[in-house]
Amino acid sequence: GAGVSQSPRYKVAKRGQDVALRCDPISGHVSLFWYQQALGQGPEFLTYFQNEAQLDKSGLPSDRFFAERPEGSVSTLKIQRTQQEDSAVYLCASSLDQGDEQFFGPGTRLTVL
Amino acid sequence: QQQVKQSPQSLIVQKGGISIINCAYENTAFDYFPWYQQFPGKGPALLIAIRPDVSEKKEGRFTISFNKSAKQFSLHIMDSQPGDSATYFCAASKGSTLGRLYFGRGTQLTVWP
Repeated sequence: GAGVSQSPRYKVAKRGQDVALRCDPISGHVSLFWYQQALGQGPEFLTYFQNEAQLDKSGLPSDRFFAERPEGSVSTLKIQRTQQEDSAVYLCASSLDQGDEQFFGPGTRLTVL
Repeated sequence: QQQVKQSPQSLIVQKGGISIINCAYENTAFDYFPWYQQFPGKGPALLIAIRPDVSEKKEGRFTISFNKSAKQFSLHIMDSQPGDSATYFCAASKGSTLGRLYFGRGTQLTVWP
């Protein structure tokens, strides 16, 4: 009964570097969400997948952000040419299906120097 | 624009006391209102949730009160314990956005022994 796992837990990047953050959802969960949580703030929606289909990417802050879930399970959030304002905790959540309870992973704390 | 407004930002309560956190929303399309609890270094975890067809929901020491006409909802923690010390987030979602959660900014609760 493993929950949602994310890796790495911590990532330090120099400004301009590309990073890739991984999310392993709960097995069998159809829906997968990415959220960004700035320090002292609530999570903000980034993007949503139903199986392998990215149905909503309206929360991605710029075209430097890209997410994929090619086989409908593991998902990767990629940030190109990182900027200091990208520093945040990136949370992944999965749910059995659309509208069901979302289970969150521990997040990846990204620090851009 | 913050779709869900939460107050207070921080709250200090004596052990055994009642903790009350309030949230307000504008979008009448919201139809699901969960509360999440987050400990440092962990992802948010669902605490309790309510839909607008009821005015109150109680689970153990946690109660949600919902006022549809005022577009407000609140979390009451009875007999607060030091182990309840965490950050609490209210959130809202609507069916048309596939389960995407809109979070408040969070309330940091400290319960003194």
